[in-house]
Amino acid sequence: SYVLTQPPSVSVAPGETAILTCGGDNIGSEAVHWYQQQPGQAPIVVMSFNKVRPSGIPARFSGSTSVSTATLTIDRVEAGDEADYYCQVWDLNRDYWVFGGGTRLTVL
Amino acid sequence: QLVESGGGVVQAGRSLRLSCTASTFTFEDYVLHWVRQAPGKGLEWLALLSSNGDRKSLRDSVIGRFTVSTDNFRKTLFLQMNNLQVEDTALYYCARNRGDVSFDIWGQGTLVTVSS
Repeated sequence: SYVLTQPPSVSVAPGETAILTCGGDNIGSEAVHWYQQQPGQAPIVVMSFNKVRPSGIPARFSGSTSVSTATLTIDRVEAGDEADYYCQVWDLNRDYWVFGGGTRLTVL
Repeated sequence: QLVESGGGVVQAGRSLRLSCTASTFTFEDYVLHWVRQAPGKGLEWLALLSSNGDRKSLRDSVIGRFTVSTDNFRKTLFLQMNNLQVEDTALYYCARNRGDVSFDIWGQGTLVTVSS
């Protein structure tokens, strides 16, 4: 089955840029979604279809993909961005959804 | 809005049925999913079901123990979990989506604790 690989943790200082990655086989051909999960809360989508920001998500959040990596970039990181972030793709052939293991973003 | 219920503490080997009731949107327009999160762990997709039943899919690891169904009149999605194991202990969320679009609405989850 399709596997998405995320680094367990990323730490950045406030005001810096956080780069969160999601690796997968030929992921550049997939539609990748990103979710943010604050402690004790349900996830919310922060990026759809690789680079589409849902309404209400700050422009500081952006997404991109290459052949093997999807990236969620958070510019000018704020304390409120501290959360777990998950990437997700749909395995069309099996009608199966896959989440990455998640990255904990810590704002120093 | 999605509201889950039915969680609780259960002994290993027993069964539990979770419910997810939808409101404020047209149930038939969406596919509903179950996603779980074990304590301190990541998200794990479990199952999906469309209201007309033409799309149904389960994670390999729960096939044979878990089943999904709907009651369209009550706008409710169910997850029947049999032969529960300690490793099934998790917060169980339901979520909705359309096609390959992201999961745009999630419930707050219902906690299942399986004791040995």
